[in-house]
Amino acid sequence: GAVVSQHPSWVICKSGTSVKIECRSLDFQATTMFWYRQFPKQSLMLMATSNEGSKATYEQGVEKDKFLINHASLTLSTLTVTSAHPEDSSFYICSAPRGQGYGYTFGSGTRLTVV
Amino acid sequence: AQSVTQLGSHVSVSEGALVLLRCNYSSSVPPYLFWYVQYPNQGLQLLLKYTSAATLVKGINGFEAEFKKSETSFHLTKPSAHMSDAAEYFCAVSEGTSYDKVIFGPGTSLSVIP
Repeated sequence: GAVVSQHPSWVICKSGTSVKIECRSLDFQATTMFWYRQFPKQSLMLMATSNEGSKATYEQGVEKDKFLINHASLTLSTLTVTSAHPEDSSFYICSAPRGQGYGYTFGSGTRLTVV
Repeated sequence: AQSVTQLGSHVSVSEGALVLLRCNYSSSVPPYLFWYVQYPNQGLQLLLKYTSAATLVKGINGFEAEFKKSETSFHLTKPSAHMSDAAEYFCAVSEGTSYDKVIFGPGTSLSVIP
């Protein structure tokens, strides 16, 4: 079945540094990728939608300069958390739609801890 | 805009008892509806989805859900709970197109008592 490979699965970084999270579609073309954030004991909140070859669309309240999204190819979308702070510590998950009636494929998630 | 509510942030059932997790949605267009399960520190696993075909949808691990348009509901059920069913369950909705964003409900934590 369709797989989205998300890396890294966990990362610890120092406050003020940047972290890049990658999501690759392994056996299908992901023209769209959704990026979610999940805080402990909470639901998934949509952060942004990326489309291959165009600028990402951010949800209200999400800082586009802090969460940089790049979708340069049909198989790779990246989320970079710039100048990370402890409040950015969260579980980040990507998701790609697979076409009519096939639903969505989710990455396995990235646990980011900023110290 | 679409939204999802899940009645009961936490549900406890005895092993072998019926599992019922409630989900209501709002959408201005015919929706696609999903149930996902999440185990601690893991990603999401799709249990089942409704995409405008049969209103009673059967999923994995013995779960099923019924789409009721008149009630705007998509409740998840399982006849007999197993200990392994203990997890977080999320109902989600998208606006009926393949590439629309998926909006998640707040989630229901299911505990199974031996």
